[in-house]
Amino acid sequence: EPEVTQTPSHQVTQMGQEVILRCVPISNHLYFYWYRQILGQKVEFLVSFYNNEISEKSEIFDDQFSVERPDGSNFTLKIRSTKLEDSAMYFCASSEERPDTQYFGPGTRLTVL
Amino acid sequence: KNEVEQSPQNLTAQEGEFITINCSYSVGISALHWLQQHPGGGIVSLFMLSSGKKKHGRLIATINIQEKHSSLHITASHPRDSAVYICAVLDRANNDMRFGAGTRLTVKP
Repeated sequence: EPEVTQTPSHQVTQMGQEVILRCVPISNHLYFYWYRQILGQKVEFLVSFYNNEISEKSEIFDDQFSVERPDGSNFTLKIRSTKLEDSAMYFCASSEERPDTQYFGPGTRLTVL
Repeated sequence: KNEVEQSPQNLTAQEGEFITINCSYSVGISALHWLQQHPGGGIVSLFMLSSGKKKHGRLIATINIQEKHSSLHITASHPRDSAVYICAVLDRANNDMRFGAGTRLTVKP
């Protein structure tokens, strides 16, 4: 069964460094999403992406964040200058349509020191 | 203010019991999702609903759009059902996905 994959599974970085989290959505899906979950807190929506552009973004998704689909398969989340409070689990998801069932990747745990 | 409220926060049941988890929301929605988060952190989509009722195996999800309420039921619960169950709604006004805090279910053998 097709699945969403994410790399790396765990990323440790120093405060102020740039990180890129990578996702490979399911191949025939058109809508892509990033979510984050700070340890012990609820999942939060960051951004949705369709047709090579951002369709919605939350207040969390400020100028430090950017998303890109650099080729036909990868979908990336970049955090330009990481802060301690960016430490969280980041989930990528994709869907064929919207609204539709979303398929989640296993997540990337980001630790900012 | 929490746009999505779940109850209970924690639930412990004996194997075989019938489980109900509730979700109330305050915004207009395009759809409501029930998700399962495993102890390892992975998230699996269980249902997407915009009206009525859906059933998959031992899981049943219902939604009442007028009352802005949804329920997730698990029949004949099993220890492998132990997980956090999350309700999430797609806000019709801005297409943001808004999540509940989750219900932690523990099913004891």
